[in-house]
Amino acid sequence: KAGVTQTPRYLIKTRGQQVTLSCSPISGHRSVSWYQQTPGQGLQFLFEYFSETQRNKGNFPGRFSGRQFSNSRSEMNVSTLELGDSALYLCASSLEGGTSNEKLFFGSGTQLSVL
Amino acid sequence: GESVGLHLPTLSVQEGDNSIINCAYSNSASDYFIWYKQESGKGPQFIIDIRSNMDKRQGQRVTVLLNKTVKHLSLQIAATQPGDSAVYFCAEKAGGFKTIFGAGTRLFVKA
Repeated sequence: KAGVTQTPRYLIKTRGQQVTLSCSPISGHRSVSWYQQTPGQGLQFLFEYFSETQRNKGNFPGRFSGRQFSNSRSEMNVSTLELGDSALYLCASSLEGGTSNEKLFFGSGTQLSVL
Repeated sequence: GESVGLHLPTLSVQEGDNSIINCAYSNSASDYFIWYKQESGKGPQFIIDIRSNMDKRQGQRVTVLLNKTVKHLSLQIAATQPGDSAVYFCAEKAGGFKTIFGAGTRLFVKA
C-alpha cells in the first residue's frame, strides 16, 4: 500500500505570492491533517479534514486554508506569503481521525521557502 | 493551555547503550500518547503508542512508560544503534480532533 504522498517536495516563492500544496493520503484513510514544522516552533497543527469537511483548525491566520476532495485527497493554500511562512508543511492521514485514538501516517512534507 | 514538552532537547549515547527520552504533558485529560521518530528529510514515523489505562507498553527494542500521577511519558530504546539517530517527538490526544506534538529531542548515537 502506498504511503502518504505530498507534492511538490520543494517550493521557492516570493513574498506576496500564493502557494498550493497537495497531499494524497493512504488508500482508505479518510482523515487528513496538516502541520507546519519550523525549527523554532516544532510541529504546529493547521487543520484536519474528514469527508470534505474541516473539523478542526489551529491558530493560524486566515491566509492558511485547505480543502479535501471526495477521494480524500487534500490541498492547502497559503495566500499573501510572508517570510515567516517558510517551513516544512507536513500532511498526515489516518482512517477516521477526529476523536478516535489513531496514529498518524505522515508524508515527507513540502519544504517551502519564501524569499 | 495545552502543552507537551521535553526535558532534554539533545541526547548523546554510545552505540549499544540504552536511551531514555523523557516528555512532560500538561493536559490531564489526555488519554492517548504516541512517540514518533523523524529522520532527516522525512516526515515523522510512528514508533509506539500507549493509552491512558496502561502504564507500560513494549515493542521491538522500545518501551513506553506512562506516569499519569506526574504527567510524564518516557521512551526507552534498548541497545541503541546508529540507525536510531533521529529526532523523537512525544504527542498526545485529549479526545479532540488534533494530535499535539512536543518540541522534540535529538538523539545522537556515537559509534
